[in-house]
Amino acid sequence: NAGVTQTPKFRVLKTGQSMTLLCAQDMNHEYMYWYRQDPGMGLRLIHYSVGEGTTAKGEVPDGYNVSRLKKQNFLLGLESAAPSQTSVYFCASTINSFSGANVLTFGAGSRLTVL
Amino acid sequence: AQKVTQAQTEISVVEKEDVTLDCVYETRDTTYYLFWYKQPPSGELVFLIRRNSFDEQNEISGRYSWNFQKSTSSFNFTITASQVVDSAVYFCALSEVRDDKIIFGKGTRLHILP
Repeated sequence: NAGVTQTPKFRVLKTGQSMTLLCAQDMNHEYMYWYRQDPGMGLRLIHYSVGEGTTAKGEVPDGYNVSRLKKQNFLLGLESAAPSQTSVYFCASTINSFSGANVLTFGAGSRLTVL
Repeated sequence: AQKVTQAQTEISVVEKEDVTLDCVYETRDTTYYLFWYKQPPSGELVFLIRRNSFDEQNEISGRYSWNFQKSTSSFNFTITASQVVDSAVYFCALSEVRDDKIIFGKGTRLHILP
């Protein structure tokens, strides 16, 4: 099993360009999350989804949009990239989180640089 | 809103020393889960432990142990006889039953010096 796969792994963008990060999981997980990791800031939740067709805002949602059209995929979009969005992005999934008990499975991360 | 504080940004110890990583959390919920994850230099995030709010028993797994104290809202992680392979960033996280968010602390970077 591949687990959680993120594409692309690396990307360089110019300010104002748009792009989409794809997260795919093959574990039939209901819940999916996007985090960003910046030095000294830890992992901050951008958006998350509790099932196909649903999305919700996390701690730092501004400048990002997400979609969950298929259960296995969770897309993170940057409509107009800014240098402040330079970061490492992690996708994670879990079976469901209604009890809060489920452990996250993380992707390998996507390093995005905005010039 | 839930919050996780890891006050220690970076710690360096010499190999074989014991080290404790602190985690303090805030929640209004009575039912919640706490987690520790490890991020080695290779960058992946690895689950270490999960603890629910009703289980205050300490847990030991080899050289790793965890101390959960609801009275002080802390969930501390101790590595005994540290090894160079323990060098990593360690994250504490909190999940409330009534909320679907899983919130992480800022992490503690641990250097084990040979």
